[in-house]
Amino acid sequence: ETGVTQTPRHLVMGMTNKKSLKCEQHLGHNAMYWYKQSAKKPLELMFVYNFKEQTENNSVPSRFSPECPNSSHLFLHLHTLQPEDSALYLCASSQANTPGTEEGTQYFGPGTRLLVL
Amino acid sequence: AQSVSQHNHHVILSEAASLELGCNYSYGGTVNLFWYVQYPGQHLQLLLKYFSGDPLVKGIKGFEAEFIKSKFSFNLRKPSVQWSDTAEYFCAVKNSWGKLQFGAGTQVVVTP
Repeated sequence: ETGVTQTPRHLVMGMTNKKSLKCEQHLGHNAMYWYKQSAKKPLELMFVYNFKEQTENNSVPSRFSPECPNSSHLFLHLHTLQPEDSALYLCASSQANTPGTEEGTQYFGPGTRLLVL
Repeated sequence: AQSVSQHNHHVILSEAASLELGCNYSYGGTVNLFWYVQYPGQHLQLLLKYFSGDPLVKGIKGFEAEFIKSKFSFNLRKPSVQWSDTAEYFCAVKNSWGKLQFGAGTQVVVTP
C-alpha cells in the first residue's frame, strides 16, 4: 500500500462508451501524474499536474481528458476510445516536481486495467 | 532526446544466483536515478534511488545499485536472489527539468 489508490481496478468498455478513472493520494503530495503501461513498452507519461494545474500533456489524444479538482484527486475521463488504448493506466503522486530533490520521488497506485472492445 | 535503455528484456535464473540488471541513459546533465519493481499483480514500488553522494546505493530487500557517471549507467544488483524476487524491474531517470523517464523493463523469473 503506497497511499495512492485507483478505481476501478478493471474496466471493460466499448468504443462509444464514456467512463472515468479515479485516483486519490493520501500522502500530502501536490503533484499527480497519469501514465500508460502497455506490454513490452516503457511507461508513457500522459499528464502532469502540479498544484492542480496541468503542467504537461505528452501529446495525448483528446479522447483522454484529465481533471484535477484538488491536490488529492485526479481523474482521467475516457471517451470514444480505440482498442489500441487497452493498457494499464497508472496514477502516481509526488511532492512538487522540484528538479534535483528527493521530494520529486513518485509513488504509484495499483493501476486500472482497461480493455476497449 | 533523453532515453533509458535496459539491456535485457527477460532474465531467468535459479535461486541463490546473483542478479545484475543493466541500465543506461542518454542525458548529459544532472540526473536522479531510480529502480522500481512490479511484482505479479501488484503496483509499481520504489526499490531504491540515487540523488547525490555515495554512488553505491542500497535499497530494500537486499538490492543495491551503482551509479557510474562516466558510463551513464545505474546497474541493479543482488548477490543471491530468491523465488520471491520474480518480478518486472524498471529503471527510471529524472532529468534536471524534473521529467521522469522509464526504461522498457526487465522481466526476471527466479526458479526454485
